[in-house]
Amino acid sequence: AQSVSQHNHHVILSEAASLELGCNYSYGGTVNLFWYVQYPGQHLQLLLKYFSGDPLVKGIKGFEAEFIKSKFSFNLRKPSVQWSDTAEYFCAARNDYKLSFGAGTTVTVRA
Amino acid sequence: EAGVTQSPTHLIKTRGQQATLRCSPISGHTSVYWYQQALGLGLQFLLWYDEGEERNRGNFPPRFSGRQFPNYSSELNVNALELEDSALYLCASSGGTSGRDTQYFGPGTRLTVL
Repeated sequence: AQSVSQHNHHVILSEAASLELGCNYSYGGTVNLFWYVQYPGQHLQLLLKYFSGDPLVKGIKGFEAEFIKSKFSFNLRKPSVQWSDTAEYFCAARNDYKLSFGAGTTVTVRA
Repeated sequence: EAGVTQSPTHLIKTRGQQATLRCSPISGHTSVYWYQQALGLGLQFLLWYDEGEERNRGNFPPRFSGRQFPNYSSELNVNALELEDSALYLCASSGGTSGRDTQYFGPGTRLTVL
């Protein structure tokens, strides 16, 4: 069965610090990969996605993610975070019809 | 373009009752997915409807059921509610010009079972 694991449960950092959130998936076949974000009091929003092609994917709000097939990883990065990036971040993998989600990482950015 | 909408926002029921949750997909989307986000368990896939048919279901008991209407809106029914059914239920949709591969989520319905 496909599974997704996120390395960190809670990350706390200061504004302007760099962010990297780890994500690994277990499925070996063709898989679509996503990062979703859930800001406080808001619904899940799509940050970025990878289907094929360039393994470095750029998303909204300055986020990017790198797909490394040999490591089954899809890590999310942002060079300089802002207070408004405080949210919960979910990595997801899609195989066929359903999304399998990681447990989520809560990111707290201190001003 | 309006996003996925869900109603009600909150629902409080007692054990043994039935709950009905509703979802309207993004216009043009034909697939609707239901997920459960329970505390400590993360987001779990519940059901997938496409073109009015149930296409697949996750590892949930039969008392979780639903349907999709001709206008592609969907209903999730939970019968014989148990305390552990308390969770945020998320609906997502895909299809149309967006393609089936990307799911867009609604705000969720918070179900509390007392």
